[in-house]
Amino acid sequence: AQTVTQSQPEMSVQEAETVTLSCTYDTSENNYYLFWYKQPPSRQMILVIRQEAYKQQNATENRFSVNFQKAAKSFSLKISDSQLGDTAMYFCAFRFLNAGGTSYGKLTFGQGTILTVHP
Amino acid sequence: GAVVSQHPSRVICKSGTSVKIECRSLDFQATTMFWYRQFPKKSLMLMATSNEGSKATYEQGVEKDKFLINHASLTLSTLTVTSAHPEDSSFYICSARAGGSYNEQFFGPGTRLTVL
Repeated sequence: AQTVTQSQPEMSVQEAETVTLSCTYDTSENNYYLFWYKQPPSRQMILVIRQEAYKQQNATENRFSVNFQKAAKSFSLKISDSQLGDTAMYFCAFRFLNAGGTSYGKLTFGQGTILTVHP
Repeated sequence: GAVVSQHPSRVICKSGTSVKIECRSLDFQATTMFWYRQFPKKSLMLMATSNEGSKATYEQGVEKDKFLINHASLTLSTLTVTSAHPEDSSFYICSARAGGSYNEQFFGPGTRLTVL
């Protein structure tokens, strides 16, 4: 079974600075998706970014980017120009992608990292 | 993205009563729905996966007779907590996924259950 580990329970950063959240995972599969989700105080889960394992290029979404190291099974999230609204709990997650190209199965979440952005 | 709603957002009930939580996909057909439980500052714990028209698949350790899940249509799934006890108090989140090659999973806003 796959596991996802986030080793940073809490992080803090000053507004406008950059912060990196760590995630490692363990799987014997070769085809999968990796995700970062954000859960703000409202507790609504929001997809921040996703990465297909077969793509070498790191995914980016505006101020959010990932450093995907497949061999090392590492998937970190970098938040640039941090904003107060980035304060939230962040979850790294994994999901299988079958040979037919269809994503299936359940999401496996890491333990989460609470990020606080200070003014 | 697509919208998933949950109702109610908060519910308080007495110990021993049953509570039903609804999860609806508002603008897409959800072939698969998931129910999660979350404790404060903790990760989401998957309780069960349901496919429309089929019985739910429960995760190990989740009592299927206590947490009844029904996925009767492509837009509605319900979670019924039967004979609720204070230890069932938690935040319950549903998630819905459409068909297709990528089939992103969308999350509802959650339901806070308090059992007195």
